[in-house]
Amino acid sequence: DIQMTQSPSSVSASIGDRVTITCRASQGISSWLAWYQQKPGKAPKLLIFAASSLQGGVPSRFSGSGSGTDFTLTISSLQPEDFATYYCQQAHSFPPTFGGGTKVEIK
Amino acid sequence: EVHLLESGGGLVQPGGSLRLSCAASGFTFSTHAMSWVRQAPGKGLEWVSAISGGGGSTYDADSVKGRFTISRDNSKNTLFLQLDSLRVEDTAVYYCAKLSTWYVLNWGQGTQVTVSS
Repeated sequence: DIQMTQSPSSVSASIGDRVTITCRASQGISSWLAWYQQKPGKAPKLLIFAASSLQGGVPSRFSGSGSGTDFTLTISSLQPEDFATYYCQQAHSFPPTFGGGTKVEIK
Repeated sequence: EVHLLESGGGLVQPGGSLRLSCAASGFTFSTHAMSWVRQAPGKGLEWVSAISGGGGSTYDADSVKGRFTISRDNSKNTLFLQLDSLRVEDTAVYYCAKLSTWYVLNWGQGTQVTVSS
């Protein structure tokens, strides 16, 4: 199985801050990567697919980049509704493994 | 609007069985691969099983192979997961998921499965 490693596991930030989360795959996955946002007690929500394509309805302050083994999710200006846990997921091969998650907390 | 509604979760003893269902609406069910993804308490996300649109191909994680069976009834727009030989470590919220390749486009609200004596 392809292992996905996210860092940091948690980050404290203030409203308006720029936040960057990284995800590393144990082998090359081209651009087969998604990012999801999950709020407590809720199902995850797809933010980005194909490493950098924004899902419909997702604010443009979210962006993704990378290919191969190294990827990033950037929130350009953190908003109150962005405090959540973020997961990366490789979609290159079965099983489609997830990273361990990054919790974005209020500073 | 896509809607996925899971049911069938509950409390079961180790070694027991459950059958989860997911009623789908708002899209052409038979043309989409579907999946089950679970999340243990306080933990991350884990893929469980997936099935092609026509039901002819299935994929199971090693952790559930031989114990869980995914199936679908396209005439009723319903996805199923049969859970047998349940273990304490299968305790989790189980989400029904609509796929595009291996991306999850839509998630259900989840159903809780608790395995405990």
